[in-house]
Amino acid sequence: LAKTTQPISMDSYEGQEVNITCSHNNIATNDYITWYQQFPSQGPRFIIQGYKTKVTNEVASLFIPADRKSSTLSLPRVSLSDTAVYYCLVAPSYNTDKLIFGTGTRLQVFP
Amino acid sequence: EADIYQTPRYLVIGTGKKITLECSQTMGHDKMYWYQQDPGMELHLIHYSYGVNSTEKGDLSSESTVSRIRTEHFPLTLESARPSHTSQYLCASSELADSGANVLTFGAGSRLTVL
Repeated sequence: LAKTTQPISMDSYEGQEVNITCSHNNIATNDYITWYQQFPSQGPRFIIQGYKTKVTNEVASLFIPADRKSSTLSLPRVSLSDTAVYYCLVAPSYNTDKLIFGTGTRLQVFP
Repeated sequence: EADIYQTPRYLVIGTGKKITLECSQTMGHDKMYWYQQDPGMELHLIHYSYGVNSTEKGDLSSESTVSRIRTEHFPLTLESARPSHTSQYLCASSELADSGANVLTFGAGSRLTVL
C-alpha cells in the first residue's frame, strides 16, 4: 500500500479556506485517494474520495494532479466545527483489509 | 445518523474481567473491522472480517478475539482485561462507493478503561 505523508498540524481562522496536502509518491494505478475527518472521541467520518482531477461534494473539494503523487483536500470557509483530525488514505478499490490511517493532520480553527 | 452501533460507549472495569464490546450495522455490509486508537494517536487495525464465519487478524497484535456469526454483528471479546488494554476501540464496516473504491463507516467507539 502507498505510504502517505501529510502535515502534523495546521491552524486557521473562521471563514478562511483551508488546503491540506497529502503526498503519496508510490501511488499505484489501482489506488484511490480517500479523506476522512475525525472529531475527538468519535470514529472517523468519510469526507471525499477521488481517483484523478477534481472531485467536489457539499463538504469539500479534492484536487489530484495528473501524476497523482499528491492530493489536496480543500475546505471552503471553515468554521470552528471543522476543528478535527483529517486523514488521507490511499488504497486500491478491491482491498480494504489493510487500510493505514497514519497520524493525520490536526486542524485547529480559531474564532 | 449512525448506521453502525457500538456498545458500551464507555466501560471501566477491573483487571482480569472478561468483556465484550458489541458492534452492529444495519447496512448489510459484508466487510467489518475493529481498530484500536489511543488518544491523539493513529488508528491500528486489530481484526477484520470478509463476511459470516470469516475473521482475520490485523496489523497490530491484539489479545482480543472476534466472531462473525451474523452479517450485522461483529463483537470483540477480551477474556481477561489488563490495564494495557485501556484504549478506544472503533468498529467499522465498508461498502464500494460510487466514486470507485471502498469507504469505511465507523461507529462512535467504545472507550475502555481497565483499572
